[in-house]
Amino acid sequence: EAGVTQFPSHSVIEKGQTVTLRCDPISGHDNLYWYRRVMGKEIKFLLHFVKESKQDESGMPNNRFLAERTGGTYSTLKVQPAELEDSGVYFCASSLVGAEQFFGPGTRLTVL
Amino acid sequence: AQKITQTQPGMFVQEKEAVTLDCTYDTSDPSYGLFWYKQPSSGEMIFLIYQGSYDQQNATEGRYSLNFQKARKSANLVISASQLGDSAMYFCAMREGNTGNQFYFGTGTSLTVIP
Repeated sequence: EAGVTQFPSHSVIEKGQTVTLRCDPISGHDNLYWYRRVMGKEIKFLLHFVKESKQDESGMPNNRFLAERTGGTYSTLKVQPAELEDSGVYFCASSLVGAEQFFGPGTRLTVL
Repeated sequence: AQKITQTQPGMFVQEKEAVTLDCTYDTSDPSYGLFWYKQPSSGEMIFLIYQGSYDQQNATEGRYSLNFQKARKSANLVISASQLGDSAMYFCAMREGNTGNQFYFGTGTSLTVIP
C-alpha cells in the first residue's frame, strides 16, 4: 500500500512568488492534515480536511495560504505571495477515523 | 502555553544501551492520545507508539516503550538496545478529545547513537 506522498520534495522560490504544494493521502483516508515546521521549532498544525470539507483551519497563518481538497482525494496548499517567514518543511498526514496519522515525507520550502 | 514540551534538544547514547527521551504534556481534556514519531535524515515521519489517556498499561512496541505517568503528565519514550539506525529526530505529539483532531507536537529531540 502506497504511503502519503508529497510533491515537490523541495522548492526554492523568491519572495513574492507563488508556490503550490501537493499531497496525496493514503487511499481511503478521509482525514487529511497539513502541518508546518519552521527550523528549530515545533511542528504546527495548519488545517484538517474531512473528505473535501475543511474541518478545522485554525492553524492557517494568514490569507496568503489557501488549501483545497477538491473531490476529497489529493490536496493542494498554495502560498501566494510567499514571504521569507514561510520557509520551512510542510508535512501532510492522513488517517482513518480514530487511527494514527500517517505522515508524508514533507516539502522543504525555501523563500529567498 | 506549550502543550507538548521536549526539554532535550539533543541526546547521545552508546549502541546497545537504553535511552529515555522526555516528553511532558499539558491538557485539561480527560480524553487524549499521546504519540511518538521518528524522523530520520531522509525526512519521513514514522509512527512509533501510541498511548491513550485511559490505557491502564504502558504501551510497548518492540524495542519502544512509553513510560506513561499520568499524574506527572509525562510520556517518556524508552528505546532499549539502541541501534545505529535509531539516530534520528524524535517527536512527541498529543491529540486532545476526538480522534480526528489535530496533533500538537514538541520541538523534537535529536538522538545520536554512538558505535
